[in-house]
Amino acid sequence: DTAVSQTPKYLVTQMGNDKSIKCEQNLGHDTMYWYKQDSKKFLKIMFSYNNKELIINETVPNRFSPKSPDKAHLNLHINSLELGDSAVYFCAARGHPNTEAFFGQGTRLTVV
Amino acid sequence: GENVEQHPSTLSVQEGDSAVIKCTYSDSASNYFPWYKQELGKGPQLIIDIRSNVGEKKDQRIAVTLNKTAKHFSLHITETQPEDSAVYFCAASKDSSASKIIFGSGTRLSIRP
Repeated sequence: DTAVSQTPKYLVTQMGNDKSIKCEQNLGHDTMYWYKQDSKKFLKIMFSYNNKELIINETVPNRFSPKSPDKAHLNLHINSLELGDSAVYFCAARGHPNTEAFFGQGTRLTVV
Repeated sequence: GENVEQHPSTLSVQEGDSAVIKCTYSDSASNYFPWYKQELGKGPQLIIDIRSNVGEKKDQRIAVTLNKTAKHFSLHITETQPEDSAVYFCAASKDSSASKIIFGSGTRLSIRP
């Protein structure tokens, strides 16, 4: 039973399109994150939500809009996709501060 | 701002030898230091963590050390095996509900047979 699941695993789309990535966690954790991993493997935080409320927005372009319909879901919608958006996007969930964060398997987004 | 530096970026060791990865952090308020292992095509997975009130922690072949004064922490893997080949990330965070996890740049570890 997967703790943090993301869909889709792969996403290939053209520049200018709008796409969404979904994330669901069954851990009952309050905090969820979106991270972007570039081609050099660097993991950079994008957003953090705590109990459906946006806590951290790391100067991500407003083409990226996270949405948390409930505590178990944090979806990422991206408008007007650009070539530079190509990366692997990871969702993660964490309970109390300073405890383990559980990551999804990632969504590889390729913009052509 | 908050920053975590990690070295080396790549590391190749003979099977059976030890591997050491080192990190430094900038925010003195950081008090939780996890290490993640990422295998190909998968998400990062926690392998060990250490809190600031502890100087060393060991779990079988893996150990972490923390020097709060110098803001250094290290991962030690002994008796390396082929399945240890992966990308390893150090990270730091603070004790806050708004806390983000700041990752190092990663170390690609290869174990030579």
